Amino acid sequence: AQSVAQPEDQVNVAEGNPLTVKCTYSVSGNPYLFWYVQYPNRGLQFLLKYITGDNLVKGSYGFEAEFNKSQTSFHLKKPSALVSDSALYFCAVSFGWAEGYSTLTFGKGTMLLVSP
Amino acid sequence: ETGVTQTPRHLVMGMTNKKSLKCEQHLGHNAMYWYKQSAKKPLELMFVYSLEERVENNSVPSRFSPECPNSSHLFLHLHTLQPEDSALYLCASSQDKMAGYYNEQFFGPGTRLTVL
Repeated sequence: AQSVAQPEDQVNVAEGNPLTVKCTYSVSGNPYLFWYVQYPNRGLQFLLKYITGDNLVKGSYGFEAEFNKSQTSFHLKKPSALVSDSALYFCAVSFGWAEGYSTLTFGKGTMLLVSP
Repeated sequence: ETGVTQTPRHLVMGMTNKKSLKCEQHLGHNAMYWYKQSAKKPLELMFVYSLEERVENNSVPSRFSPECPNSSHLFLHLHTLQPEDSALYLCASSQDKMAGYYNEQFFGPGTRLTVL
């Protein structure tokens, strides 16, 4: 079965410092991986995805993620954090090909808190 | 209105009430989804519709009844709910039922449901 794990409930970082939000996955076959962000009282917003190709994927708001097949990881990164980046971040993997449709299974989320 | 909208944003209901959640997408998508988001738990996929046809019912109790009259609208009818059903209910849409393959899901802001 497909699954993702986000080992940290919360990540704290000071503004201006680099940030990393961790995600590991378990899939059969090639993974299709996603990051979403949820701001308070808002729905999830798509940040970036890895389908194939370059292991470093760039997304919205200056975020990027590195796909590492040997470590089955897809960590989200940003070189310099902003207070406005404070939100709940979800890693997701797609599944369901055999049934003729696919959707996403999500991790439990990691709260990112950026202090001024 | 743009994107995915959901009404109401907040709902409080008793265990014997009947209520409905509404979702509307203005993106011209053909697939729609209901998710349940509980605190510190992964998002739970409840239902998937493609071109108004249900393609997935993820073992959801019958007290939740979905309806998809057309590709732009999705309802979740609620009756005789339990307190543990209190959660944020998110609606999402995607270009087609292969979300996670080459297209991502777009989420509404959710309905915060409290069952007393």
